[in-house]
Amino acid sequence: KAGVTQTPRYLIKTRGQQVTLSCSPISGHRSVSWYQQTPGQGLQFLFEYFSETQRNKGNFPGRFSGRQFSNSRSEMNVSTLELGDSALYLCASSLGASNTEAFFGQGTRLTVV
Amino acid sequence: QKEVEQDPGPLSVPEGAIVSLNCTYSNSAFQYFMWYRQYSRKGPELLMYTYSSGNKEDGRFTAQVDKSSKYISLFIRDSQPSDSATYLCAMSPNFNKFYFGSGTKLNVKP
Repeated sequence: KAGVTQTPRYLIKTRGQQVTLSCSPISGHRSVSWYQQTPGQGLQFLFEYFSETQRNKGNFPGRFSGRQFSNSRSEMNVSTLELGDSALYLCASSLGASNTEAFFGQGTRLTVV
Repeated sequence: QKEVEQDPGPLSVPEGAIVSLNCTYSNSAFQYFMWYRQYSRKGPELLMYTYSSGNKEDGRFTAQVDKSSKYISLFIRDSQPSDSATYLCAMSPNFNKFYFGSGTKLNVKP
Protein backbone atom coordinates (compact mmCIF):
# COMPACT_ATOMS: atom_id res chain seq x y z
CA LYS A 1 0.00 0.00 0.00
CA ALA A 2 1.56 3.28 -1.07
CA GLY A 3 2.13 5.86 1.63
CA VAL A 4 1.43 9.57 1.62
CA THR A 5 3.25 11.24 -1.25
CA GLN A 6 4.26 14.86 -1.17
CA THR A 7 5.73 16.74 -4.09
CA PRO A 8 8.09 18.36 -4.58
CA ARG A 9 10.47 17.25 -1.80
CA TYR A 10 12.52 20.43 -1.95
CA LEU A 11 11.73 23.90 -3.20
CA ILE A 12 13.54 27.22 -3.25
CA LYS A 13 11.56 30.38 -3.89
CA THR A 14 12.20 34.10 -3.58
CA ARG A 15 10.28 36.53 -1.43
CA GLY A 16 7.04 37.70 -2.97
CA GLN A 17 6.55 34.60 -5.11
CA GLN A 18 3.84 32.06 -4.60
CA VAL A 19 4.13 28.30 -4.26
CA THR A 20 1.86 25.28 -4.57
CA LEU A 21 2.56 22.04 -2.74
CA SER A 22 0.87 18.75 -3.47
CA CYS A 23 -0.17 15.82 -1.30
CA SER A 24 -1.54 12.46 -2.43
CA PRO A 25 -3.04 10.61 0.54
CA ILE A 26 -3.14 6.89 1.09
CA SER A 27 -5.73 5.26 -1.13
CA GLY A 28 -9.12 5.30 0.58
CA HIS A 29 -8.22 8.08 2.99
CA ARG A 30 -10.54 11.07 2.81
CA SER A 31 -9.00 13.41 5.35
CA VAL A 32 -5.89 15.43 4.61
CA SER A 33 -4.26 17.78 7.10
CA TRP A 34 -1.40 20.19 6.53
CA TYR A 35 1.22 21.22 9.07
CA GLN A 36 4.13 23.62 9.11
CA GLN A 37 7.20 22.45 11.00
CA THR A 38 9.96 24.84 12.05
CA PRO A 39 12.71 24.43 14.65
CA GLY A 40 11.34 27.26 16.77
CA GLN A 41 7.61 26.58 16.62
CA GLY A 42 7.45 22.84 16.09
CA LEU A 43 4.50 21.38 14.21
CA GLN A 44 1.70 23.86 13.67
CA PHE A 45 -1.66 22.95 12.21
CA LEU A 46 -2.58 24.75 9.01
CA PHE A 47 -5.87 23.21 7.89
CA GLU A 48 -7.74 19.98 7.41
CA TYR A 49 -9.85 18.87 4.47
CA PHE A 50 -12.40 16.12 4.39
CA SER A 51 -14.39 15.23 1.28
CA GLU A 52 -13.29 18.41 -0.51
CA THR A 53 -14.40 20.67 2.38
CA GLN A 54 -12.17 22.55 4.76
CA ARG A 55 -13.23 21.24 8.15
CA ASN A 56 -10.68 22.90 10.43
CA LYS A 57 -8.30 25.79 10.14
CA GLY A 58 -5.30 26.86 12.19
CA ASN A 59 -4.11 30.37 12.99
CA PHE A 60 -2.28 31.23 9.81
CA PRO A 61 -2.77 34.32 7.63
CA GLY A 62 -4.90 34.23 4.52
CA ARG A 63 -1.79 33.88 2.37
CA PHE A 64 -1.99 30.19 3.23
CA SER A 65 -4.78 28.38 1.46
CA GLY A 66 -5.62 24.89 0.37
CA ARG A 67 -8.04 22.72 -1.46
CA GLN A 68 -8.93 19.10 -1.88
CA PHE A 69 -10.00 17.36 -5.05
CA SER A 70 -12.59 14.66 -5.56
CA ASN A 71 -9.87 11.99 -5.53
CA SER A 72 -8.78 13.28 -2.06
CA ARG A 73 -5.52 14.70 -3.37
CA SER A 74 -4.82 18.05 -1.78
CA GLU A 75 -2.82 21.14 -2.58
CA MET A 76 -1.76 24.02 -0.43
CA ASN A 77 -0.78 27.39 -1.75
CA VAL A 78 1.24 30.13 -0.14
CA SER A 79 1.15 33.54 -1.80
CA THR A 80 3.48 36.50 -1.35
CA LEU A 81 6.14 34.37 0.29
CA GLU A 82 8.06 35.72 3.26
CA LEU A 83 11.40 34.57 4.64
CA GLY A 84 9.58 33.23 7.71
CA ASP A 85 7.63 30.81 5.55
CA SER A 86 10.76 28.69 5.19
CA ALA A 87 9.81 25.40 6.81
CA LEU A 88 9.05 21.75 6.33
CA TYR A 89 5.43 21.40 5.21
CA LEU A 90 3.91 18.08 6.19
CA CYS A 91 0.75 16.48 4.97
CA ALA A 92 -1.07 13.78 6.94
CA SER A 93 -3.86 11.56 5.72
CA SER A 94 -6.38 9.52 7.63
CA LEU A 95 -9.56 7.64 6.92
CA GLY A 96 -11.56 10.53 8.28
CA ALA A 97 -14.11 11.25 10.91
CA SER A 98 -13.29 9.06 13.89
CA ASN A 99 -9.96 7.54 13.00
CA THR A 100 -7.03 8.69 15.02
CA GLU A 101 -4.13 7.35 13.07
CA ALA A 102 -2.76 9.97 10.75
CA PHE A 103 -0.02 8.93 8.37
CA PHE A 104 2.48 11.60 7.48
CA GLY A 105 4.31 12.12 4.24
CA GLN A 106 8.00 13.00 4.16
CA GLY A 107 7.23 16.64 3.68
CA THR A 108 8.22 19.43 1.32
CA ARG A 109 11.19 21.49 2.45
CA LEU A 110 10.50 25.08 1.35
CA THR A 111 13.28 27.63 1.49
CA VAL A 112 12.44 31.28 0.83
CA VAL A 113 15.40 33.48 -0.07
CA GLN B 1 1.68 30.47 26.32
CA LYS B 2 1.71 27.49 23.96
CA GLU B 3 -1.07 24.96 24.40
CA VAL B 4 1.44 22.11 24.51
CA GLU B 5 4.87 22.42 26.09
CA GLN B 6 7.66 19.95 25.50
CA ASP B 7 11.32 20.14 26.49
CA PRO B 8 13.31 20.21 23.23
CA GLY B 9 16.31 18.44 24.73
CA PRO B 10 18.54 17.10 23.37
CA LEU B 11 18.44 14.12 25.67
CA SER B 12 21.43 11.81 25.54
CA VAL B 13 21.34 8.40 27.25
CA PRO B 14 23.43 5.19 27.10
CA GLU B 15 22.03 2.13 25.39
CA GLY B 16 19.78 0.12 27.71
CA ALA B 17 18.67 3.12 29.78
CA ILE B 18 15.06 3.94 30.58
CA VAL B 19 14.01 7.13 28.83
CA SER B 20 11.29 9.44 30.10
CA LEU B 21 9.77 12.01 27.75
CA ASN B 22 7.14 14.46 28.94
CA CYS B 23 4.66 17.09 27.83
CA THR B 24 2.39 19.46 29.67
CA TYR B 25 -0.70 21.13 28.28
CA SER B 26 -3.16 23.81 29.24
CA ASN B 27 -6.38 22.90 27.42
CA SER B 28 -8.59 20.73 29.60
CA ALA B 29 -10.66 19.80 26.53
CA PHE B 30 -7.90 17.54 25.22
CA GLN B 31 -9.01 13.91 25.38
CA TYR B 32 -6.78 12.15 22.87
CA PHE B 33 -3.05 11.93 23.42
CA MET B 34 -0.48 10.65 20.98
CA TRP B 35 3.25 10.19 20.68
CA TYR B 36 4.98 10.38 17.33
CA ARG B 37 8.55 9.52 16.42
CA GLN B 38 10.31 11.45 13.69
CA TYR B 39 13.59 10.39 12.17
CA SER B 40 15.74 12.92 10.38
CA ARG B 41 14.35 13.87 6.97
CA LYS B 42 11.22 11.78 7.53
CA GLY B 43 7.64 12.55 8.46
CA PRO B 44 6.37 11.71 11.96
CA GLU B 45 5.06 8.18 12.60
CA LEU B 46 2.51 7.33 15.26
CA LEU B 47 3.92 5.34 18.19
CA MET B 48 1.22 5.36 20.83
CA TYR B 49 -2.30 6.64 21.27
CA THR B 50 -4.17 7.03 24.57
CA TYR B 51 -7.68 8.18 25.31
CA SER B 52 -8.25 10.14 28.52
CA SER B 53 -6.23 9.24 31.62
CA GLY B 54 -4.34 6.03 32.22
CA ASN B 55 -1.47 3.92 30.98
CA LYS B 56 -0.90 2.05 27.77
CA GLU B 57 1.94 -0.34 27.05
CA ASP B 58 3.26 -1.52 23.71
CA GLY B 59 6.46 -3.51 23.83
CA ARG B 60 9.22 -1.32 25.21
CA PHE B 61 7.00 1.77 25.13
CA THR B 62 4.60 2.94 27.85
CA ALA B 63 2.41 6.02 27.56
CA GLN B 64 0.90 7.66 30.64
CA VAL B 65 -1.71 10.39 30.83
CA ASP B 66 -2.56 12.33 33.98
CA LYS B 67 -5.40 14.65 33.06
CA SER B 68 -5.65 16.10 36.57
CA SER B 69 -2.10 17.41 36.23
CA LYS B 70 -2.34 18.00 32.47
CA TYR B 71 0.81 15.94 32.05
CA ILE B 72 1.66 13.10 29.70
CA SER B 73 4.71 10.87 29.53
CA LEU B 74 6.32 8.34 27.24
CA PHE B 75 8.70 5.78 28.74
CA ILE B 76 11.11 3.77 26.63
CA ARG B 77 12.63 0.71 28.31
CA ASP B 78 15.92 -0.87 27.21
CA SER B 79 16.59 2.01 24.84
CA GLN B 80 18.39 1.21 21.60
CA PRO B 81 20.47 3.36 19.24
CA SER B 82 17.66 2.90 16.71
CA ASP B 83 15.39 4.83 19.11
CA SER B 84 17.44 7.96 18.41
CA ALA B 85 14.95 10.37 16.89
CA THR B 86 12.77 13.34 17.76
CA TYR B 87 9.70 12.45 19.79
CA LEU B 88 6.61 14.61 19.42
CA CYS B 89 3.61 14.60 21.69
CA ALA B 90 0.27 15.52 20.19
CA MET B 91 -3.19 15.97 21.61
CA SER B 92 -6.67 16.78 20.47
CA PRO B 93 -10.14 17.50 21.83
CA ASN B 94 -11.53 15.52 18.89
CA PHE B 95 -9.96 13.74 15.94
CA ASN B 96 -9.98 16.66 13.61
CA LYS B 97 -7.40 19.10 14.92
CA PHE B 98 -4.15 18.20 16.61
CA TYR B 99 -1.81 20.25 18.74
CA PHE B 100 1.82 19.19 18.77
CA GLY B 101 4.67 19.76 21.16
CA SER B 102 7.89 21.09 19.65
CA GLY B 103 9.57 17.69 20.01
CA THR B 104 12.34 16.24 22.16
CA LYS B 105 15.47 15.07 20.40
CA LEU B 106 16.71 11.78 21.84
CA ASN B 107 20.16 10.31 21.27
CA VAL B 108 20.84 6.78 22.49
CA LYS B 109 24.58 6.11 22.59
CA PRO B 110 25.86 2.57 21.88
